[in-house]
Amino acid sequence: AQSVTQPDIHITVSEGASLELRCNYSYGATPYLFWYVQSPGQGLQLLLKYFSGDTLVQGIKGFEAEFKRSQSSFNLRKPSVHWSDAAEYFCAVGVHGNTPLVFGKGTRLSVIA
Amino acid sequence: GAVVSQHPSWVICKSGTSVKIECRSLDFQATTMFWYRQFPKQSLMLMATSNEGSKATYEQGVEKDKFLINHASLTLSTLTVTSAHPEDSSFYICSASYYGYTFGSGTRLTVV
Repeated sequence: AQSVTQPDIHITVSEGASLELRCNYSYGATPYLFWYVQSPGQGLQLLLKYFSGDTLVQGIKGFEAEFKRSQSSFNLRKPSVHWSDAAEYFCAVGVHGNTPLVFGKGTRLSVIA
Repeated sequence: GAVVSQHPSWVICKSGTSVKIECRSLDFQATTMFWYRQFPKQSLMLMATSNEGSKATYEQGVEKDKFLINHASLTLSTLTVTSAHPEDSSFYICSASYYGYTFGSGTRLTVV
């Protein structure tokens, strides 16, 4: 069964600083990979996804992620963080449309002035 | 496109009553929908997979008699929390797959 590890429970960055959130997955083949963001009390918003092709994926809000097969990783990055980026970030893995996503435990991002 | 509408957004109910949560795919047909539960400051845990026209598949540890799932059409799946108790208070989110996974906005259930 596939699994997702987000090693960082909580990260604090200064506004304007760069950000990288780590995600490692365990699966025999290349799964579908996703990053979602969730603000308190809200639903999930898709930031970006990887199915195949170019391993550097651009998403919304200036986020990007890079799929590295050799490391089984799909880390999320942003060059300059804004205060509004403070939220919970979830990495998720899927196999195909009729199977559910498996989520990591999430990384809470705090942004300080 | 690919919008999933979930209602209600929040609900408060008395202990012992039942609550129904609806999940609709607005612009596509969803043969499969997924129901997740999220406790405060935790990740999403899959409760069940809902298949149109057939019985839902529940994850281990999820009480199928308490969390009734019905997927009667290609655009609607419902989750009914029966005889709700305070420990059922949680955030419930549905999801459907259409060239990716689309999530509803979630339902905050509080049982008092």
